[in-house]
Amino acid sequence: KNQVEQSPQSLIILEGKNCTLQCNYTVSPFSNLRWYKQDTGRGPVSLTIMTFSENTKSNGRYTATLDADTKQSSLHITASQLSDSASYICVVSAGRGSTLGRLYFGRGTQLTVWP
Amino acid sequence: DTEVTQTPKHLVMGMTNKKSLKCEQHMGHRAMYWYKQKAKKPPELMFVYSYEKLSINESVPSRFSPECPNSSLLNLHLHALQPEDSALYLCASGRTSGRANEQFFGPGTRLTVL
Repeated sequence: KNQVEQSPQSLIILEGKNCTLQCNYTVSPFSNLRWYKQDTGRGPVSLTIMTFSENTKSNGRYTATLDADTKQSSLHITASQLSDSASYICVVSAGRGSTLGRLYFGRGTQLTVWP
Repeated sequence: DTEVTQTPKHLVMGMTNKKSLKCEQHMGHRAMYWYKQKAKKPPELMFVYSYEKLSINESVPSRFSPECPNSSLLNLHLHALQPEDSALYLCASGRTSGRANEQFFGPGTRLTVL
């Protein structure tokens, strides 16, 4: 069964600190993995997208890693800011080679950054 | 233009009303999607259009009726909804080649059914 599991479910950190969010998946065949940031009541915004051959990708203070062998990904946030408070969703795309390939969503990690 | 727009941002309707949600993109994408998202849950796929034709209907009740008038527009017509249909409705679009399956989401329409 194609699933995406994220941990932790929620996380509270102080402003300026770093944190790492985890994603494990069983989606097969694999096409790509993305991390989205979703503010409450808003649509998801893409942070990174990685294919099978990519191990690390950065976008400003966000760095995502992918281990396709163990089917694990992480999202590292450095020097957190209050505006980083949001839900971070791991999404895995099935590799059927079609634009209609399904996206499998994790339930998200709710990050709260305190001043 | 690299964004997906949705209108209205908020919608409150009664169970007997008829309303429509609208989605627009000008990125030349040929795949468009409707998702429903309840609070603290991941988005759930409802419909997929490819080249203006409905290709996937995830067993959505007929009180939701999608329409794709052209490659840039996607509508969701609502009729006789139930209170449990209250949710954030997200539209997304995707390309047909290159990074297949990369989807760009709109900001969503917050729907409340009274």
